[in-house]
Amino acid sequence: NAGVMQNPRHLVRRRGQEARLRCSPMKGHSHVYWYRQLPEEGLKFMVYLQKENIIDESGMPKERFSAEFPKEGPSILRIQQVVRGDSAAYFCASSPRTDPGDRREQYFGPGTRLTVT
Amino acid sequence: AQSVTQLGSHVSVSEGALVLLRCNYSSSVPPYLFWYVQYPNQGLQLLLKYTTGATLVKGINGFEAEFKKSETSFHLTKPSAHMSDAAEYFCAVTPDTGRRALTFGSGTRLQVQP
Repeated sequence: NAGVMQNPRHLVRRRGQEARLRCSPMKGHSHVYWYRQLPEEGLKFMVYLQKENIIDESGMPKERFSAEFPKEGPSILRIQQVVRGDSAAYFCASSPRTDPGDRREQYFGPGTRLTVT
Repeated sequence: AQSVTQLGSHVSVSEGALVLLRCNYSSSVPPYLFWYVQYPNQGLQLLLKYTTGATLVKGINGFEAEFKKSETSFHLTKPSAHMSDAAEYFCAVTPDTGRRALTFGSGTRLQVQP
């Protein structure tokens, strides 16, 4: 059973370009979460999605950032007009639709390391 | 609102010594608590979790943690450190409500000296 897949693993963008980060959840999982890890810091929640729905985007910056999780295909985190401060590791996690015992477990992907030059 | 405080951004122990990584949380509702480990340039791996029931939780790789409600703590321990335990450890909390987002501490980097 493949784990959470993220691609690309490393992404370099110049200031002003767009960054697209992809996340394929574990098989059977329909909940996806995006977190950002700045250098020397812990992970910060950005957004929580189910298929075709954004459930909680309280951690998303108000501008330039968007996320989707279409009916088919991976979840996409999109950053428009990137700036140096967007340089970070972006992690995706997934969990199943029904969670026996409500264990709230999230399974993390390897992350995408975005560098803005 | 909830928050997680990990005391000590760096902890160094000798191989074979006790590992103690501290985590305190604040939460307005009963929390679910987690410890994750992150090896360099990798994602996070779940070590153990507390949801309900027994307050002493055993995880993988010989780690365990005890939920102490009166102290709002969830410290991670391992009786005998191994070189392979060197990594970054994160404590996380999510409330016992519909909200599922994890709130992470800032992490503790564990070094194991030979």
